[in-house]
Amino acid sequence: EVQLVESGGGLVQPGTSLRLSCAGSGFNVGRHYMNWVRQAPGKGLEWVSVIYTDGSPYYADSVKGRFTISRDNSKNTVFLHMNSLRGEDTAVYYCTRDLGWVGESFKYAMDVWGQGTAVTVS
Amino acid sequence: EVVLTQSPGTLSLSPGERATLSCRASQTVGSNYLAWYQQRPGQAPRLLIYGTSSRASGIPDRFSGSGSGTAFTLTISRLETEDFAVYFCQQYNMVPWTFGQGTKVDIK
Repeated sequence: EVQLVESGGGLVQPGTSLRLSCAGSGFNVGRHYMNWVRQAPGKGLEWVSVIYTDGSPYYADSVKGRFTISRDNSKNTVFLHMNSLRGEDTAVYYCTRDLGWVGESFKYAMDVWGQGTAVTVS
Repeated sequence: EVVLTQSPGTLSLSPGERATLSCRASQTVGSNYLAWYQQRPGQAPRLLIYGTSSRASGIPDRFSGSGSGTAFTLTISRLETEDFAVYFCQQYNMVPWTFGQGTKVDIK
């Protein structure tokens, strides 16, 4: 079964750091774009970061310079290192997989989502 | 950044009715780069539509997507009880990838 399981969330003070993990199963995380998406309480979805198959990372402006996405192919796991946390970073953080190749076409959409891990900065 | 504006904010309908949800982009989005998601209360979002009009695996055919350029639509032909949820559109045309603010479909 294709699955993503996030961990590492919790209650932290402003200015501190946290590392989220996302363990993939049933597929190879290194062969897909992998994202972090967050949802503040009662709000909509906000894309946070992506790591491409070649390892290139991209970030939302709201986290650029504070968050770092990385991947450990040997553990089939993606990470989000979060530094200098702020109250506005409080959210449920979802790890997602991009669809990728469908036949001979590359398709862009998040087809697998984890259950989310809650981060509270207070 | 591409801003996606969804309308209406809330759609109140009865089971069996047709739902039409709109997603408008601040600039042109290629047809391969527009997706729709459903989020039920307390659950993670799930992919419904990718590439503007392709249904994801396991999605019933009462869900359909259409549109081009800056105007996209998600249609639910006949609402079932489990379809009452929040729906988000998302663009992949350029980083940062962005989501619309969501449309809530609730029971009238």
